[in-house]
Amino acid sequence: SQQGEEDPQALSIQEGENATMNCSYKTSINNLQWYRQNSGRGLVHLILIRSNEREKHSGRLRVTLDTSKKSSSLLITASRAADTASYFCATGPRAAGNKLTFGGGTRVLVKP
Amino acid sequence: DTAVSQTPKYLVTQMGNDKSIKCEQNLGHDTMYWYKQDSKKFLKIMFSYNNKELIINETVPNRFSPKSPDKAHLNLHINSLELGDSAVYFCASSQDVIGQPQHFGDGTRLSIL
Repeated sequence: SQQGEEDPQALSIQEGENATMNCSYKTSINNLQWYRQNSGRGLVHLILIRSNEREKHSGRLRVTLDTSKKSSSLLITASRAADTASYFCATGPRAAGNKLTFGGGTRVLVKP
Repeated sequence: DTAVSQTPKYLVTQMGNDKSIKCEQNLGHDTMYWYKQDSKKFLKIMFSYNNKELIINETVPNRFSPKSPDKAHLNLHINSLELGDSAVYFCASSQDVIGQPQHFGDGTRLSIL
C-alpha cells in the first residue's frame, strides 16, 4: 500500500468553511510535504514540515505532524473556490536522496 | 519563464510504437525525476537523476530508458508501448538536499490506442 495515505479521499465544502485532510504513513521520515494539484496541471509544493516539528503555518494553511502516530493533517481555513484541487502528502525518508513517496490524494471541491 | 517544462503535453499513439518525452528545468537544480500518475491519481516515482547520474530506478520495465544529456534536461524514451503505459507522466526537479521541495512540470498525457 502507499506510504502516505490520505483521508478522506474526497471532500466537498462550501466557500468559507474549513477543510481538513489527514495523511498516515508507515516508516520513519525526515520530512513530510503537502502538494496541490489542479486539474490538468502538475503538483505544486505547499508546505514542508520536518520530523522534529509539530506544527507549521503558511497563510491559510496549517499543517500538523505527529510522528508517534505517523500522521499529519492539512487544514485550509476560510476556503475559496480556487482551493478546489487534489491535495497530496509525500514523505521523505531518512535515507540519502530526495525520494518522495506520495499518497493517493484528497480531492477537495469548494462550492461557491 | 516556465520552471519545469515538458513536451509534448499530449501523446496519442498505437501499441508497439516508440516515443519520447522531453523535460527541461531552468531552476539550476541538481536532481530531476520522472513520475507516473495512473488513472486513480496515484503518483509513483520511476527514475531520479543527479547531475546526469541515475540514482533512483524503481524497477521500471527496461522498455523505459531515461537520458540526461546535462543536468537541466531529463528525457524519457519508451519502447514498444503497451496499453498499461497509458498514464500522465510528470517530470520534476529539486536541489540535491534531503527535504527539498520538488517542482513539477504540467505533465504529458500518454494514451495508447
